[in-house]
Amino acid sequence: DTAVSQTPKYLVTQMGNDKSIKCEQNLGHDTMYWYKQDSKKFLKIMFSYNNKELIINETVPNRFSPKSPDKAHLNLHINSLELGDSAVYFCASSTGNLEAFFGQGTRLTVV
Amino acid sequence: AQSVTQLDSQVPVFEEAPVELRCNYSSSVSVYLFWYVQYPNQGLQLLLKYLSGSTLVESINGFEAEFNKSQTSFHLRKPSVHISDTAEYFCAVTPTSYDKVIFGPGTSLSVIP
Repeated sequence: DTAVSQTPKYLVTQMGNDKSIKCEQNLGHDTMYWYKQDSKKFLKIMFSYNNKELIINETVPNRFSPKSPDKAHLNLHINSLELGDSAVYFCASSTGNLEAFFGQGTRLTVV
Repeated sequence: AQSVTQLDSQVPVFEEAPVELRCNYSSSVSVYLFWYVQYPNQGLQLLLKYLSGSTLVESINGFEAEFNKSQTSFHLRKPSVHISDTAEYFCAVTPTSYDKVIFGPGTSLSVIP
């Protein structure tokens, strides 16, 4: 069983489109995150949710909207995609301040 | 606020040689410390962590890291590297009272046959 699963794994889309990335964790964790990894491998936190409530929003453009229908899911919707949004997006979950479990990543390419 | 510095962006090392990947952090509060490894085209996996107790922590595949509070460091070491250790290594911190993991910029370890 995959602990943290993201879909899709690859996403190629045109500028201006709207797309969603889904994330599910079966670990029973309270906290879920979205991270963006750029082409230089730098990881930046975007959002953090705890029990479906937004805890962290790290100055991400409002074209990015996370949605947490329940504790096990945290989806990321992106409107009006731009070239600069191309990156690998990682979902993660954790309990308290301990180990974070990461999904395999979604490689988004905007053309 | 917390921050993490990994001074070496790339570290090439010959197989069976020792390696040290450096990590320094800054924080005004107590933190937990982690090393994560990212193999090519994969997500991050926890390598080892320091929460409390012994300042020397070890992983199951031969890596170790030592927490040095006075130097605010958490360097990662391995006495003899293998080809399979080639990966990106991230140092990370999280405050003990807050749900946020801050990652360093990463160090790319390349093991040369």
